[in-house]
Amino acid sequence: EAGVAQSPRYKIIEKRQSVAFWCNPISGHATLYWYQQILGQGPKLLIQFQNNGVVDDSQLPKDRFSAERLKGVDSTLKIQPEKLEDSAVYLCASSPRQGGGELFFGEGSRLTVL
Amino acid sequence: AQKITQTQPGMFVQEKEAVTLDCTYDTSDQSYGLFWYKQPSSGEMIFLIYQGSYDEQNATEGRYSLNFQKARKSANLVISASQLGDSAMYFCAMREGRNTGFQKLVFGTGTRLLVSP
Repeated sequence: EAGVAQSPRYKIIEKRQSVAFWCNPISGHATLYWYQQILGQGPKLLIQFQNNGVVDDSQLPKDRFSAERLKGVDSTLKIQPEKLEDSAVYLCASSPRQGGGELFFGEGSRLTVL
Repeated sequence: AQKITQTQPGMFVQEKEAVTLDCTYDTSDQSYGLFWYKQPSSGEMIFLIYQGSYDEQNATEGRYSLNFQKARKSANLVISASQLGDSAMYFCAMREGRNTGFQKLVFGTGTRLLVSP
């Protein structure tokens, strides 16, 4: 079974440029998550999708970040960073159902903001 | 308030010895789940073990066991017979939000484990 795929793995941009990270979850997984992991910290949830609907985006900085999951399969996280602190690894994860079970993570996309 | 607390930034252990990584949590939910993940230097998060709040027995998965003390709100990970490949970051996480209709994992700050020959 193929795992969670993410691309690109690395991106270096300047402030106010934009980047899009792509995630393809494990086939059949209804729930998809984007986490932000700043160096030295644990992952922090940015947004959670159930199929193609958003169930939690309370910690997504909407002035700089947006995400979509059209057709309820793969997802794109778009960032137009204005802060050096947006430099982080962006982890995509999926799970087969909403209410429980482990999350399966991709290898992450590392963003460096100059 | 911190939901998941991992007080050990780093731990050292010799190969073949056992090591305990500490985790305490805070929740008002009666039903919750506790997870441990391993993150090697390559970056992916690898699921290790899960404990449900109603599980009466401590979870075990091969060399990993979870020392669950519900009254003390602790969920320590025990790795027996450490191997060099166990060197990595270890994250404790809690599934919360059952009462709100959607659930998410909240992670601690992690513990870096270094296994020496």
